[in-house]
Amino acid sequence: KAGVTQTPRYLIKTRGQQVTLSCSPISGHRSVSWYQQTPGQGLQFLFEYFSETQRNKGNFPGRFSGRQFSNSRSEMNVSTLELGDSALYLCASTDRAGRAEAFFGQGTRLTVV
Amino acid sequence: DAKTTQPPSMDCAEGRAANLPCNHSTISGNEYVYWYRQIHSQGPQYIIHGLKNNETNEMASLIITEDRKSSTLILPHATLRDTAVYYCIAFYSGNTPLVFGKGTRLSVIA
Repeated sequence: KAGVTQTPRYLIKTRGQQVTLSCSPISGHRSVSWYQQTPGQGLQFLFEYFSETQRNKGNFPGRFSGRQFSNSRSEMNVSTLELGDSALYLCASTDRAGRAEAFFGQGTRLTVV
Repeated sequence: DAKTTQPPSMDCAEGRAANLPCNHSTISGNEYVYWYRQIHSQGPQYIIHGLKNNETNEMASLIITEDRKSSTLILPHATLRDTAVYYCIAFYSGNTPLVFGKGTRLSVIA
């Protein structure tokens, strides 16, 4: 069974630009969560999607948004990038909402210059 | 905010048991204790979880005190590949996400 796939693995963007990150969950998994990891703040929850609906949202500005498609694949978008958005963005999938045995992808390393 | 506290770092000799403590004195009766680890530059990996009873799987053992105020993750024979940051998380199934604290950085030394 393939694991959680995140693309791209690495990304460099300029301040003010926008970026879209993609996550393909494990086959059969319908819940996808996104996390941001920085050296200063650690792992912080962004949002969770289940069956194309956002179930939960962390304390991030509206520049951070996401969506989930009918095949459970998910994307997150960050608009008007700031230097502080440089981070490792991690996606996790579970077979159903509310479960904590999550499978994480390798992450997308975003650098904003 | 995380409901758990862990030491920031620990060392363990290769081949010895690694015992990672976690304090969770304020968790409620229906909150599970979950453990994850994150090896450098990888996503976190689920290890084990428990509610009241001790648990064991192929990766580790979890010992939860009777009063549920603390727990210990045990890696019975640590190897260099167990060097990672270990996170102890209190989780209530429902509408809450996993909340990661700072974790414990375990260094396994040859």
